[in-house]
Amino acid sequence: DAGVIQSPRHEVTEMGQEVTLRCKPISGHNSLFWYRQTMMRGLELLIYFNNNVPIDDSGMPEDRFSAKMPNASFSTLKIQPSEPRDSAVYFCASTIFRGFENTEAFFGQGTRLTVV
Amino acid sequence: RKEVEQDPGPFNVPEGATVAFNCTYSNSASQSFFWYRQDCRKEPKLLMSVYSSGNEDGRFTAQLNRASQYISLLIRDSKLSDSATYLCVATRLYGGSQGNLIFGKGTKLSVKP
Repeated sequence: DAGVIQSPRHEVTEMGQEVTLRCKPISGHNSLFWYRQTMMRGLELLIYFNNNVPIDDSGMPEDRFSAKMPNASFSTLKIQPSEPRDSAVYFCASTIFRGFENTEAFFGQGTRLTVV
Repeated sequence: RKEVEQDPGPFNVPEGATVAFNCTYSNSASQSFFWYRQDCRKEPKLLMSVYSSGNEDGRFTAQLNRASQYISLLIRDSKLSDSATYLCVATRLYGGSQGNLIFGKGTKLSVKP
């Protein structure tokens, strides 16, 4: 398996532009997470999907952020309009959730976003 | 109180030293716990799961204390290659049936020659 695939790996955009980050989870995994990592705040959970349904989006900073998971093999995180403070590394991770237990979460290589 | 808290460090230790990290979690209903390792500018990767009975993997030992709501990681005979950030993870449940993974901010370890 190729693992969790994220694209693009790097994105530089101007303030006010729309940014779309993409993620393909590992086949067979039923849970998907979007995280944002900065030096100041560490790894923050943005949103969590289980069986393609958003379960917890309490970490989404504001209405400028939206995430979708139209099917089990694809998810997007969109920022519109983007701001310089959105600059961070965005990770997607997937895992299998069985009952009360999670198995290991596998991370993509991340998208390094810079908003200028 | 944050859901998962760790001492950010850095821990600067000589090669061969034993070093221990602790992590506390606030949700007593959390069921699954993990330690992840993250190298600079890379994605986090699983180091080990943490079981109620404690578990060991080579030089690494993880312990869970449910009564005090903390987990620990012990690294013996540390190597230069152990230098990384170690992330503690606990699950967050929703109605007892949906699992989420909450990460601590990480503890930075630097092993010196």
